[in-house]
Amino acid sequence: EVQLVESGGGLVQPGGSLRLSCAASGFTVSSNYMNWVRQAPGKGLEWVSVIYTGGSTFYADSVKGRFTISRDNSKNTLYLQMNSVRAEDTAVYYCARQYGGGDGFDIWGQGTMVTVSS
Amino acid sequence: DIQMTQSPSSLSASVGDRVTITCRASQSVSNYLNWYQRIPGKAPKLLIYAASSLQSGVPSRFSGSGSGTDFTLTISSLQPEDFAGYYCQETYTVPFTFGPGTTVDVK
Repeated sequence: EVQLVESGGGLVQPGGSLRLSCAASGFTVSSNYMNWVRQAPGKGLEWVSVIYTGGSTFYADSVKGRFTISRDNSKNTLYLQMNSVRAEDTAVYYCARQYGGGDGFDIWGQGTMVTVSS
Repeated sequence: DIQMTQSPSSLSASVGDRVTITCRASQSVSNYLNWYQRIPGKAPKLLIYAASSLQSGVPSRFSGSGSGTDFTLTISSLQPEDFAGYYCQETYTVPFTFGPGTTVDVK
């Protein structure tokens, strides 16, 4: 079965760090564009980051310099390292597969909640 | 960055109604425009990709049209399970901006 399963969310203090994981099954992470998308409480969907098949990475301005997307091909897993987190990073974080350049996000994980609070 | 707008922000409809949602991009995105359904507590679901292509498994009552900067999502006959949020998204260039969303609720 093709699926994505996120983990690693939780409560973190402002300025702290957290690493989210997204384990894939049924397909190869490195053969697809992989994205992170978040939805803050009461807000809409916000694109966060993408890693291309070739390894290039891109970020939303709101997280640039603080978040890092990466993947471990041996574990078929996508990551989002979140540093210097802020209250406004509080959201449900989803990983999503993008089959290729220009395509929509066809496979989504169930989401993991990140709460930034003291 | 490309800005995405949607209208209306919300609408009330009845089962069987024809529903149309509009999405506009601040510059041309060619046909790199996708539509998602968002039900609270569930992951977003891709409905339409490349402006008018129906994602596998999505009912044919959903359709998309447009190119360049103006796009529409149409639900030909609203079903009970279609009361949800709908988002457009451009994948023409990063950042892959989502529209602000349209909520379809029960009249």
